[in-house]
Amino acid sequence: DIQMTQSPSSLSASVGDRVTITCRASQTINTYLNWYQQKPGKAPNLLIYTASNLQDGVPSRFSGSGSGTDFTLTISSLQPGDFATYYCQQIYSTPLTFGGGTKVEIK
Amino acid sequence: EVQLLESGGGLVQPGGSLRLSCAASGFTFSNYAMTWVRQGPGMGLEWVSSIVASGGSTHDADSVKGRFTISRDNSKNTVYLQMDRLRAEDTAVYYCAREVSYYDDNGYVDHFDYWGQGTRVTVSS
Repeated sequence: DIQMTQSPSSLSASVGDRVTITCRASQTINTYLNWYQQKPGKAPNLLIYTASNLQDGVPSRFSGSGSGTDFTLTISSLQPGDFATYYCQQIYSTPLTFGGGTKVEIK
Repeated sequence: EVQLLESGGGLVQPGGSLRLSCAASGFTFSNYAMTWVRQGPGMGLEWVSSIVASGGSTHDADSVKGRFTISRDNSKNTVYLQMDRLRAEDTAVYYCAREVSYYDDNGYVDHFDYWGQGTRVTVSS
């Protein structure tokens, strides 16, 4: 199975900050990497697919990059609605594994 | 508007069974693969099972293989998860999601673009 490791597991940031979350795969996965946002008590919401493609309706302050084993989700200017938990997911092979999540909290 | 509505969750004893349903609307159900993802209390996301659009092929996580069965009825726009021999570690919120998968000029694309609100399963005596 491909293991997905996110870092940090949590971070505190202020509105307007630039935030970067990292996801590392245990083996190369090309660009087969998605990012989801989840707010408490809600279902996950797709942000980025295939490493760098912004899902329709997602604000442009979200961006993704990377290939191979190392990937990054960046929020260019953190907004109040962005405080949530973020998960990466590899779709290179089954089982389709998720990272452990990064909780973004208000500083 | 795409909608996915799960049902069938509840409290069940270890070793028992439940069948979850996910009713879809707002899109051509028979054109899409469907997936179940679960989230244990305070835990992260875990992919459980996927089924292709025709229903002719399925994939399961090792943790549920041989105990859970995903199926679909395209005439009813519904995907199911039959859960047998339930264990305490199956306690979770279960989400169904629409899976978009295709090939484009850059390669393979696969992601879960719409999710239901989830249904809670508790396995306890």
